[in-house]
Amino acid sequence: DSGVTQTPKHLITATGQRVTLRCSPRSGDLSVYWYQQSLDQGLQFLIQYYNGEERAKGNILERFSAQQFPDLHSELNLSSLELGDSALYFCASSGTAENEKLFFGSGTQLSVL
Amino acid sequence: EDQVTQSPEALRLQEGESSSLNCSYTVSGLRGLFWYRQDPGKGPEFLFTLYSAGEEKEKERLKATLTKKESFLHITAPKPEDSATYLCAVQASNDMRFGAGTRLTVKP
Repeated sequence: DSGVTQTPKHLITATGQRVTLRCSPRSGDLSVYWYQQSLDQGLQFLIQYYNGEERAKGNILERFSAQQFPDLHSELNLSSLELGDSALYFCASSGTAENEKLFFGSGTQLSVL
Repeated sequence: EDQVTQSPEALRLQEGESSSLNCSYTVSGLRGLFWYRQDPGKGPEFLFTLYSAGEEKEKERLKATLTKKESFLHITAPKPEDSATYLCAVQASNDMRFGAGTRLTVKP
């Protein structure tokens, strides 16, 4: 168990809908990262937060947004969903702003029908 | 642009048959190279961090090495439980960029 909790584990929704994925980092970790993993794209970095502030942004679509709350949990919001957004979404945490080893959650499997 | 390329995409070994996985990278100012193991349906699990050329790390049947352009993950006498996808990641700027992975299958 990595100590990173992601909910829900599975999410099935329709095109055009909006969903929210939730992540609780390991106790004491200040950094949260979001990754998207699909069969043809591998693990793609979306965004990083450190202690509530956005730290780095990767290949995140404008339809996607994220935030980190004062209690350090994070949410990834996906809107106007398309079939191509179906993927496994991972959250990871680390202790400092600098990229150290990441501890990954078990992911949220999103299926857009 | 920073790039991470892993080869081969898939590798099938017999139990006890040693081999190596490759991770080549082109980044500006490498701050760290990481190896992770990922089992199906699970999140990646950290294995090693390498920071400078010439560095080596070992853990059980795995040994990771680093040069200025690539890293190798050597697997000695693998067992079926070593079957997984092995991911390489590089840290250069503020993000951690992952390769596509090598899917390893070890047959008994």
